[in-house]
Parts: sequence; C-alpha cells; structure tokens
Amino acid sequence: DAGVTQSPTHLIKTRGQQVTLRCSPKSGHDTVSWYQQALGQGPQFIFQYYEEEERQRGNFPDRFSGHQFPNYSSELNVNALLLGDSALYLCASSITPGELFFGEGSRLTVL
Amino acid sequence: QKEVEQNSGPLSVPEGAIASLNCTYSDRGSQSFFWYRQYSGKSPELIMSIYSNGDKEDGRFTAQLNKASQYVSLLIRDSQPSDSATYLCAVKTSYDKVIFGPGTSLSVIP
Repeated sequence: DAGVTQSPTHLIKTRGQQVTLRCSPKSGHDTVSWYQQALGQGPQFIFQYYEEEERQRGNFPDRFSGHQFPNYSSELNVNALLLGDSALYLCASSITPGELFFGEGSRLTVL
Repeated sequence: QKEVEQNSGPLSVPEGAIASLNCTYSDRGSQSFFWYRQYSGKSPELIMSIYSNGDKEDGRFTAQLNKASQYVSLLIRDSQPSDSATYLCAVKTSYDKVIFGPGTSLSVIP
C-alpha cells in the first residue's frame, strides 16, 4: 500500500515565477491538507481539501491556491513567487481529522 | 498569543531517563490533540492522539490532556537515542483546522 506521494521532491524557481506541486493521498483517504514548513519551524497550515472543495484555509495569501481531483489527488499552486516562499511543502492525507499521514514533501527554493 | 505553543528546546536527557514535552493551546473549543515526531530531514509521523482528559499510554509513550488548563504533554519513558527528534504538538481547533506548534527538539544522550 503506497503512502502519500508528492512530486517533485526538489525544485528551484526564480522570483515571480509560478509553481505547481502534486500530491497523491494514501489509499482510501479522501481528505488532503497542505502545510508549509520553514527550516526550524513547525508546519504552517495552508488549506484542506475534501470532496474537491477547499474546506479550511490558513493565513496564506491568495497567491496560494489548490485543487482536488475526483481521485482525491491534489495540487498546490503558488503564483508570483517570493523569496520567503522557500520552504518544504508537505501534503498530508487523512480519514480521521487530525490523524495526518504526510508525504516526504517538496523542497522549494526561490532565488 | 500563538495558537499552539511548546516548551522551548532543545531538550537533552540521558539514555533511560524520562523526557517530558509540554504544549499549550489557545482555542478552548479544541477537542482533538496529537503528537507527531519528525526526524531530521524527514516528514512528521503521528505517534499519539488523545481526545479525553487524563492519560493515554502506548508503550513507552504517555500523552496527558487537561482541557481546563488547555495543556497537553507527552512523556517518553526509558528514552533511547533513537527517540532523538523534533516533537510536534498539533491541535484540531474548533474551526476544524489542524494547527501545529513550533516543535521541541529532543536529544537523548547515550
């Protein structure tokens, strides 16, 4: 049983560009959450998707958007990248709220 | 006030000792509480969940919850070097967001 898979694992972008990160949830999980983790900090909640809708959102600007597909996979899009967007982006899937299964993350570097 | 706070680290304990990790939260309506472990360079993994006041034990780990004090703790008995990691407290708030604390780094010294 595959766990949560994320792609790409690493990527480098320049300021102003756009990026799309992808996530496939653990089999049987219907809820996907995205987190941003800066070095030395705890994960910061970006948003959560369930039944293809954004259900909850953290304190992130509209440059951060997402999507969930009928097969429960999800994308995170970030527009107009800033240097401060450099971080590890974690996708987590769940059935039971709060009991999150994380992927290995996508490490984004913005130059 | 931050939504979830944890005792500042790093915390160092000798092998075999008890490690005590603390967490407080601000949303009094929160009902679900979790401890995650994150090894360096890895993603967080769930180690304990607790929903009711009192203690919950799982092997060497004990989670304690006091909703009146808005306090959650994790005790690790007989600490092993393999327990060296960052421990993240997470709270599902009354508005259904799962919010993480900043983490406490634990180092178990052989």
